[in-house]
Amino acid sequence: DTAVSQTPKYLVTQMGNDKSIKCEQNLGHDTMYWYKQDSKKFLKIMFSYNNKELIINETVPNRFSPKSPDKAHLNLHINSLELGDSAVYFCASSQGSQREQFFGPGTRLTVL
Amino acid sequence: DAKTTQPPSMDCAEGRAANLPCNHSTISGNEYVYWYRQIHSQGPQYIIHGLKNNETNEMASLIITEDRKSSTLILPHATLRDTAVYYCIVSVLGAQKLVFGQGTRLTINP
Repeated sequence: DTAVSQTPKYLVTQMGNDKSIKCEQNLGHDTMYWYKQDSKKFLKIMFSYNNKELIINETVPNRFSPKSPDKAHLNLHINSLELGDSAVYFCASSQGSQREQFFGPGTRLTVL
Repeated sequence: DAKTTQPPSMDCAEGRAANLPCNHSTISGNEYVYWYRQIHSQGPQYIIHGLKNNETNEMASLIITEDRKSSTLILPHATLRDTAVYYCIVSVLGAQKLVFGQGTRLTINP
């Protein structure tokens, strides 16, 4: 059973489009995260949610809007996609913020 | 910004111990040392963490110097599957976020 899953695995789209990436965890964790890994392989946190409440927003453009319908899901919606949004996006979860984080397999987004 | 310094790359022979160093000279008293690794095209994977005592689990050992300004991750019997980028991170317990640096690209050679 996959602990943290993301869909889709690959996403290719045109500049200006709106797209969503979904994340689900079946670990019973109460905290979920989104990270972005750019072409230079730097991995940076974007958002953190605890019990569906936004805890961290690391100066991410307003075009990015996370949505947590319940504790097991944290989706990422991106409006008006730009070339610079091309990256691999990783979802992660943990039990509270004091435990290790479990990462999903990543979604490779390519904006043309 | 990451508060750690790691060598960009290392090589190790299969079956030998891989020792990955990390400098964190500005670490605060309440900050832990975490290690994660990222195997090619996969999400990062937690390895181990510690505060000041040495730690060991089924994956690795973590040796933290007495002044806590540096640490070493030890993979006792490296296999080809241990080839990955290894990240050393310092973070307050409960900080909610991990700040990744460039990490060390470890290559295990047959």
